[in-house]
Amino acid sequence: NAGVTQTPKFRVLKTGQSMTLLCAQDMNHEYMYWYRQDPGMGLRLIHYSVGEGTTAKGEVPDGYNVSRLKKQNFLLGLESAAPSQTSVYFCASTMGNRGRDTEAFFGQGTRLTVV
Amino acid sequence: ILNVEQSPQSLHVQEGDSTNFTCSFPSSNFYALHWYRWETAKSPEALFVMTLNGDEKKKGRISATLNTKEGYSYLYIKGSQPEDSATYLCAFIPAGKSTFGDGTTLTVKP
Repeated sequence: NAGVTQTPKFRVLKTGQSMTLLCAQDMNHEYMYWYRQDPGMGLRLIHYSVGEGTTAKGEVPDGYNVSRLKKQNFLLGLESAAPSQTSVYFCASTMGNRGRDTEAFFGQGTRLTVV
Repeated sequence: ILNVEQSPQSLHVQEGDSTNFTCSFPSSNFYALHWYRWETAKSPEALFVMTLNGDEKKKGRISATLNTKEGYSYLYIKGSQPEDSATYLCAFIPAGKSTFGDGTTLTVKP
């Protein structure tokens, strides 16, 4: 049981380039989330999904897009990367019930640097 | 943006000391509060999921309490060990959309 897997683990982008981060979970979880973590700060929610085909904005959605075409996958896209998007990105999933009774399971993180 | 505050920001204790930290959150529209342990270079891992006012949870030497009416939760570590060194995050869950605090970083010196 792999849990939550993020691809890639590291990436360096030039300003203006685009890329997609993939999050895959094999626990049949309904809810999936993308967070970013910056030095001295906790996790900030970028976008989340409460089920296949649905997405919603989190706290810091600007500059990012997401898609949840399959229940097990949640993609985070950067259309035109900016240095301010240099961060560590974490994906997480929860079973359901609006994330209340069950904890979130996190991926191992993606370290993205935009130069 | 919901205001979830954790204090202190960092804590240095000696092995064997007991310690506690606080998570403060909005007292209205409460749904759930989660505690996570986050070791350097790893992913956050869940410690406790708390949903009811007055909840008390325990896992080994670590325990947590919840007061939803006044909007706070305490995390206690009894007899700290070096392996307890980590950042402890709380997450306020108002119906599916989580807000994390900035965490309390605990360093336990041997």
